[in-house]
Amino acid sequence: QVQLVQSGAEVKKPGASVKVSCKASGSTFSNYGISWVRQAPGQGLEWMGWISPNNGYTNYAQKFQGRVTMTIDTSTSTAYMELRSLRSDDTAVYYCARAAIEFIVGAPGLYWGQGTLITVSS
Amino acid sequence: EIVLTQSPGTLSLSPGERATLSCRASQSVSNFLAWYQQKPGQAPRLLISGASSRATGIPDRFSGSGSGTDFTLTISRLEPEDFAVYFCQQYASSPRGIFGQGTRLEIK
Repeated sequence: QVQLVQSGAEVKKPGASVKVSCKASGSTFSNYGISWVRQAPGQGLEWMGWISPNNGYTNYAQKFQGRVTMTIDTSTSTAYMELRSLRSDDTAVYYCARAAIEFIVGAPGLYWGQGTLITVSS
Repeated sequence: EIVLTQSPGTLSLSPGERATLSCRASQSVSNFLAWYQQKPGQAPRLLISGASSRATGIPDRFSGSGSGTDFTLTISRLEPEDFAVYFCQQYASSPRGIFGQGTRLEIK
């Protein structure tokens, strides 16, 4: 059984950066990509992007292009999501999710982290 | 850009009743559509992928159907634990991973 454990909640000031980690246990990432999804308070789900553990290929939602970087350290089975130039509307719970299907960009997430609350406030 | 529209926004039903949730895509996504359930304070839970394939451990009262632009999630007999928010997601084409806005299933 795959478990994803994310780093803890953070409070950031506008303009700062945040890096969230997502460590897998029980199984390696193998050929299953990792998606990052966020959810603002009381709102729906927003897909941010996807990374392949095989070659580090990334596919970002256009909204986040230039502001987000997703990486994977396969030696520690840990994925990372860095978001820069934070604004108040970036306040949200950020989730990582391991795909249910191998190789497909943006494949649905079968295993999810517990979520990381990022609060952006001056 | 593909847009997913879910209806209704809120569905009020009683335990034991049948629930029918809709997800419409602005252009064809073939069968590259997933459904999730989310309860307050929890991460989403994958129910269906490939429009109709139940994820591991999902009860058979949940079923998905459709292809192209029109999709349905059906819960045959509602259990108390089924009252939650449901999201659809497409992964057919860019921008992949887009979600619908969600349908809230509440107890009548």
